[in-house]
Amino acid sequence: DSGVTQTPKHLITATGQRVTLRCSPRSGDLSVYWYQQSLDQGLQFLIQYYNGEERAKGNILERFSAQQFPDLHSELNLSSLELGDSALYFCASNPGTGPYEQYFGPGTRLTVT
Amino acid sequence: GENVEQHPSTLSVQEGDSAVIKCTYSDSASNYFPWYKQELGKRPQLIIDIRSNVGEKKDQRIAVTLNKTAKHFSLHITETQPEDSAVYFCAASRYSGGSNYKLTFGKGTLLTVNP
Repeated sequence: DSGVTQTPKHLITATGQRVTLRCSPRSGDLSVYWYQQSLDQGLQFLIQYYNGEERAKGNILERFSAQQFPDLHSELNLSSLELGDSALYFCASNPGTGPYEQYFGPGTRLTVT
Repeated sequence: GENVEQHPSTLSVQEGDSAVIKCTYSDSASNYFPWYKQELGKRPQLIIDIRSNVGEKKDQRIAVTLNKTAKHFSLHITETQPEDSAVYFCAASRYSGGSNYKLTFGKGTLLTVNP
């Protein structure tokens, strides 16, 4: 157990819908990272938050957004969902002050039908 | 941006043999190179990492080598065991201080160790 929690574990929804994925980092970690994992694209970095502020951005679609709250939990919002958004979404956390190990949560498997 | 290529995509070895996975990166300013292992249905976990100021790092049966000139790094697993079977991801990042930091991952290598 990494100490990072993600909810829900599984999510099935229809095209065009909007969903919210939630992540709670390890105690004491200030940085949260979101990744999308699909079979053909591997692990794709989406976005990083540090202590409530966006710090780094990857290939995140405009339909996706994220935020980190004062209690440091983070939410990833996915809207106007398409079939191609079906994937495993991981969040990870670390203290955020350097290139140290990222501790991954168990992931949320999103299926868009 | 950074691009990381990883080879091979699948690797099958006999128990006790060595396994080598290679990655190349494009950004010459990248200075941190971790390797993550992901067992089936589980989360990725860091197994070893190397910073650009060293050329090699070992941890028991696992070693990583870095060639900055050629912009490639490799994972070496000796005396492989069935529990080494997993997907291995290399990654690279350019860290220049502060709190912004992102990893670019390779597409992964599925390692199968046959008993």
